[in-house]
Amino acid sequence: GAGVSQSPSNKVTEKGKDVELRCDPISGHTALYWYRQRLGQGLEFLIYFQGNSAPDKSGLPSDRFSAERTGESVSTLTIQRTQQEDSAVYLCASSLVGTALEAFFGQGTRLTVV
Amino acid sequence: KQEVTQIPAALSVPEGENLVLNCSFTDSAIYNLQWFRQDPGKGLTSLLLIQSSQREQTSGRLNASLDKSSGRSTLYIAASQPGDSATYLCAVFPSGNTPLVFGKGTRLSVIA
Repeated sequence: GAGVSQSPSNKVTEKGKDVELRCDPISGHTALYWYRQRLGQGLEFLIYFQGNSAPDKSGLPSDRFSAERTGESVSTLTIQRTQQEDSAVYLCASSLVGTALEAFFGQGTRLTVV
Repeated sequence: KQEVTQIPAALSVPEGENLVLNCSFTDSAIYNLQWFRQDPGKGLTSLLLIQSSQREQTSGRLNASLDKSSGRSTLYIAASQPGDSATYLCAVFPSGNTPLVFGKGTRLSVIA
């Protein structure tokens, strides 16, 4: 695709429910990143994929959070048993590797837990 | 651990002014540096990429410089316009296979 696509753009869920957030990276981009941005705050790193492997999961805040990537393409971020503190915008980015390393971001998924 | 700091946190200027946004990073061994713009409620738009071997990049009214040895980058905006109002984020790739590390951003308001 022309850019990084995230779906849904908005998600309202009840506390305790599971949610899945999807990211479609730019075609051919081998690296994929998930970040979280709480209201009025900076970007918080969650997880990084190189191909289908995740060499850096250090930012996942708890075991309720997981992510996978398949076909070196689509990635899904899953949050189980959502809590109100999970409310945030979840941003996905992708990039090539090498000297042209430059990240491109999607528009984000705004998650509201009520 | 790489840390990125942006000063000032917020800036308000009248239309037409030239301005400079500052970014500093604690470890000078970076791979690339990117400047982004974020409008309220939106994702990030990449403005400029500076590779570690480069000193500056220009795009229209924007000019970004990089001084790795001192751990600093600046984003210069010429002849500011109200449409430039946004949050500007600086981020570095510590290496070729690690995620971006972000500063907290500078919130810019350009007053007509």
